[in-house]
Amino acid sequence: EADIYQTPRYLVIGTGKKITLECSQTMGHDKMYWYQQDPGMELHLIHYSYGVNSTEKGDLSSESTVSRIRTEHFPLTLESARPSHTSQYLCASSVGGFLSGGYTFGSGTRLTVV
Amino acid sequence: TQLLEQSPQFLSIQEGENLTVYCNSSSVFSSLQWYRQEPGEGPVLLVTVVTGGEVKKLKRLTFQFGDARKDSSLHITAAQPGDTGLYLCAGAISSGSARQLTFGSGTQLTVLP
Repeated sequence: EADIYQTPRYLVIGTGKKITLECSQTMGHDKMYWYQQDPGMELHLIHYSYGVNSTEKGDLSSESTVSRIRTEHFPLTLESARPSHTSQYLCASSVGGFLSGGYTFGSGTRLTVV
Repeated sequence: TQLLEQSPQFLSIQEGENLTVYCNSSSVFSSLQWYRQEPGEGPVLLVTVVTGGEVKKLKRLTFQFGDARKDSSLHITAAQPGDTGLYLCAGAISSGSARQLTFGSGTQLTVLP
């Protein structure tokens, strides 16, 4: 039973299109994260949020933007998709930081830009 | 960002065999977590280790944190096809900031029936 939901699960889109990847959690977690994962590669943090109206960029340079208007919702937007954005995008949340417990991950969105 | 190296990158074994996968770094971590990720899903937390030399067991899985807190291992006894998946380690330094969390690239385990 998933407590963090990502939609869509799969998305194939043309270059130049604007897209929004949705992420919602029902656990009331303050902290939420977006990771990018390519096959055989480690997860890279691209955005995170410690609460409503708080967002920060992660270690991996990304052309995406995020917003956190409600605790449960943390969407990621690409204004103009490019083939280099093809990847798996994972959303996660936590009740505290890493030391307070693990992250709960969504099932991911597999994005393909053609 | 600290680098976490996982080995082997791929492992294919028969059901019933034992295996060990490793997670190594030149950096000291305050804690380390292991996750398992199945195809088409996000990673699921298996365990958190916080003390150097700590050993934790989860059924047939045994996790160890190195004495110097620079490395960790995961040992699976009598592997089963249900153990198949990508095993990821993730380490954090003491600040606990999201920017200080590092994931390894994973070990892809396949257990054949």
